[in-house]
Amino acid sequence: GESVGLHLPTLSVQEGDNSIINCAYSNSASDYFIWYKQESGKGPQFIIDIRSNMDKRQGQRVTVLLNKTVKHLSLQIAATQPGDSAVYFCAEGAQKLVFGQGTRLTINP
Amino acid sequence: NAGVTQTPKFQVLKTGQSMTLQCAQDMNHNSMYWYRQDPGMGLRLIYYSASEGTTDKGEVPNGYNVSRLNKREFSLRLESAAPSQTSVYFCASSELQPSLGGTQYFGPGTRLLVL
Repeated sequence: GESVGLHLPTLSVQEGDNSIINCAYSNSASDYFIWYKQESGKGPQFIIDIRSNMDKRQGQRVTVLLNKTVKHLSLQIAATQPGDSAVYFCAEGAQKLVFGQGTRLTINP
Repeated sequence: NAGVTQTPKFQVLKTGQSMTLQCAQDMNHNSMYWYRQDPGMGLRLIYYSASEGTTDKGEVPNGYNVSRLNKREFSLRLESAAPSQTSVYFCASSELQPSLGGTQYFGPGTRLLVL
């Protein structure tokens, strides 16, 4: 069946450094991938998405990379700030989204 | 523009009781979704409604029913609550399905405890 997994459940970075959160997916037929940020006590918030016909997409301070050969997705956050502390989820799918377990990002001052 | 709203925010039930979780969106979205999130886990899809008048099962539909009341509202019903249904429930909506670039927007969640 479909599954989306994360390499690391937690990630701790220094404020100002770049963060890289990784995600593996198993469904090679997926054509849409998305990253969400979830702060404590809140619902997931859209960060950035990418279609399967692309390998890179940039937003404001965030970049998503897609490697379809190894079925790997990553989220890069530039100049990490305290407000970036949250759990980050990747999700993939077509008609329905399948979510990964999530990575908790903590920022050290 | 409130986005996606959910009621109630918190609920405590006894085993066997029933309740309905309400969700409404004011973005004129076609698709709506119900997820559950258990501690330390990602979201799992319970049911979804691709468009008004249709509903389909997701990954974990057992023990739940849904009603797409109209384009704005999508409710989730627990007929006989069980402790295993203790979770945080999120409703989401999107204009299009994911493969067409339909970003899902989430509500604030309902925290449900079944004793």
